[in-house]
Amino acid sequence: GENVEQHPSTLSVQEGDSAVIKCTYSDSASNYFPWYKQELGKRPQLIIDIRSNVGEKKDQRIAVTLNKTAKHFSLHITETQPEDSAVYFCAATFSGSARQLTFGSGTQLTVLP
Amino acid sequence: KAGVTQTPRYLIKTRGQQVTLSCSPISGHRSVSWYQQTPGQGLQFLFEYFSETQRNKGNFPGRFSGRQFSNSRSEMNVSTLELGDSALYLCASSQKETQYFGPGTRLLVL
Repeated sequence: GENVEQHPSTLSVQEGDSAVIKCTYSDSASNYFPWYKQELGKRPQLIIDIRSNVGEKKDQRIAVTLNKTAKHFSLHITETQPEDSAVYFCAATFSGSARQLTFGSGTQLTVLP
Repeated sequence: KAGVTQTPRYLIKTRGQQVTLSCSPISGHRSVSWYQQTPGQGLQFLFEYFSETQRNKGNFPGRFSGRQFSNSRSEMNVSTLELGDSALYLCASSQKETQYFGPGTRLLVL
């Protein structure tokens, strides 16, 4: 079935350093890949998304890259700040289900001051 | 625009009972999806409703059901509750692909 694998499960970085989270997906027909940030006790919030016809997208300190051939996509956060500490989830939609998101298992990012 | 709202925010039930959760989407959004979030299984898709019709359904037993009203508000129902149904239930509304989540309903089954 459809599957999204996410690595690493935990990530600690020093403030100001970069953080990279990687996801792979199983369905080559997937065409939409959002990233969500979830702080403790809060709802998941969309931080960036990318569609399959785009290889890279950037929004200030956050960027996402997509490699359709290898079926993986990555989240890059530069100049990390303590408020970036949260759980990050990648997700993908699979063929025939435009609004059925399959999520990765999440990455707990801790930014150390 | 107001965001996605869910009621109630917290619920405590006992095994065997049933529960109904409510979700009001962002104004103008016609799609509502429901997800279950647990520490062990993560975020899992339950079902999606669009214009009062169920469009997709995840791999959950028939005890989990839902519906959508003409104003796009949605409810989900869980019958014969089990301990394993304890979770955060999130709904998300969308116009196209982008989904915006509500704050969730935290259900505890005792």
